[in-house]
Amino acid sequence: DIQMTQSPSSVSASVGDRVTITCRASQGISSWLAWYQQKPGKAPKLLIYTASSLQSGVPSRFSGSGSGTDFTLTISSLQPEDFATYYCHQANSFPGTFGQGTKVEIK
Amino acid sequence: EVQLLESGGGLVQPGGSLRLSCAASGFTFSSYAMSWVRQAPGKGLEWVSAISGSGGSTNYADSVKGRFTISRDNSKNTLYLQMNSLRAEDTAVYYCAKSRDLPDSRSFECWGQGTLVAVSS
Repeated sequence: DIQMTQSPSSVSASVGDRVTITCRASQGISSWLAWYQQKPGKAPKLLIYTASSLQSGVPSRFSGSGSGTDFTLTISSLQPEDFATYYCHQANSFPGTFGQGTKVEIK
Repeated sequence: EVQLLESGGGLVQPGGSLRLSCAASGFTFSSYAMSWVRQAPGKGLEWVSAISGSGGSTNYADSVKGRFTISRDNSKNTLYLQMNSLRAEDTAVYYCAKSRDLPDSRSFECWGQGTLVAVSS
């Protein structure tokens, strides 16, 4: 199985900050990577697919990059509604493994 | 508007069975692969199982293989997860999720609200 390692596990940031979350796959997955946002008690929401494509309706302050084994999710200017947990997910092969999550907290 | 509505969760004893359902609307159900993803209390996301649009191809996580069965009824726009021999570690919120279009059919563009399965004596 492909292992997905996210870092950091949590980050404290202020409104307006730039936040970067990284995800590393244990083997190459081309660009088959998605990022999801999850708020407490809610279902996950797709933000980014195929590593860098922005899902319809998602604000442009979210961006994704990377290919192969190393990927990044960037929030260019953190907004109050962005405080949540973020998960990467490899969509290259079954089983579709997720990273352990990164909790973005208010500083 | 795409909607996914799970049902069938509840409290079950270890070794028991439960069948989850996910009613889909707002899209051509038979054209999309579907998955079940679960989340244990306070933990991260775990993919459980996937099924192709036709239902002819299925995949399972090792943790549920041989105990869980995914299926779909395209005439009823409904996805199912039959869960047998349940264990305490199966306790989680179970989400159904709609895949994106090919070729990116393993990313999930829409999720249901989830249904809680609790396995305890």
